[in-house]
Amino acid sequence: EDQVTQSPEALRLQEGESSSLNCSYTVSGLRGLFWYRQDPGKGPEFLFTLYSAGEEKEKERLKATLTKKESFLHITAPKPEDSATYLCAVRGLTGGGNKLTFGTGTQLKVEL
Amino acid sequence: ETGVTQSPTHLIKTRGQQVTLRCSSQSGHNTVSWYQQALGQGPQFIFQYYREEENGRGNFPPRFSGLQFPNYSSELNVNALELDDSALYLCASSLETSSNEQYFGPGTRLTVT
Repeated sequence: EDQVTQSPEALRLQEGESSSLNCSYTVSGLRGLFWYRQDPGKGPEFLFTLYSAGEEKEKERLKATLTKKESFLHITAPKPEDSATYLCAVRGLTGGGNKLTFGTGTQLKVEL
Repeated sequence: ETGVTQSPTHLIKTRGQQVTLRCSSQSGHNTVSWYQQALGQGPQFIFQYYREEENGRGNFPPRFSGLQFPNYSSELNVNALELDDSALYLCASSLETSSNEQYFGPGTRLTVT
């Protein structure tokens, strides 16, 4: 069974203080690792898909990287508007269709 | 291009009742997946529909059922509601079953009392 573990559960940063979120995973045949952003009471917003170890993707202040066992979401010089829950998910060979298995997320708070 | 929409936004039901939640896919998308997200948890896969057929199911009992219509909109039906069914129900659409980009709707908040 596919599993995703995210750490830390919660993170508080000062504006401009860079940091990284971790996503450890076990999956039977990785078909994609995904990062989503979720604001309170809303649906997840797609950020990145990574497919193979060594791959990196960037979007504004966010950079996602992938190894064979984990992924990192690096946040450079964050702003208060980056405050949200960041979810990591994997798609493997089992489960049928394009089932995503999610972690519980990292709740990020960026303060002035 | 319209995004994924869901209705209703909020719903309160009593234990034992039945509920139907609705989802309209993003324009051009023929695959819909449904997820349940309990408070403080990540979304959990319920099932997926592709061209009106169920195409994969998570660990949810048969009282969770669905439909997909020719226009690719979808319904999630839950019978015999239990207190633990209280959650945010999300649908996500994608272009094909093999597509790795799923786009989520805003969700329906279901409260069972």
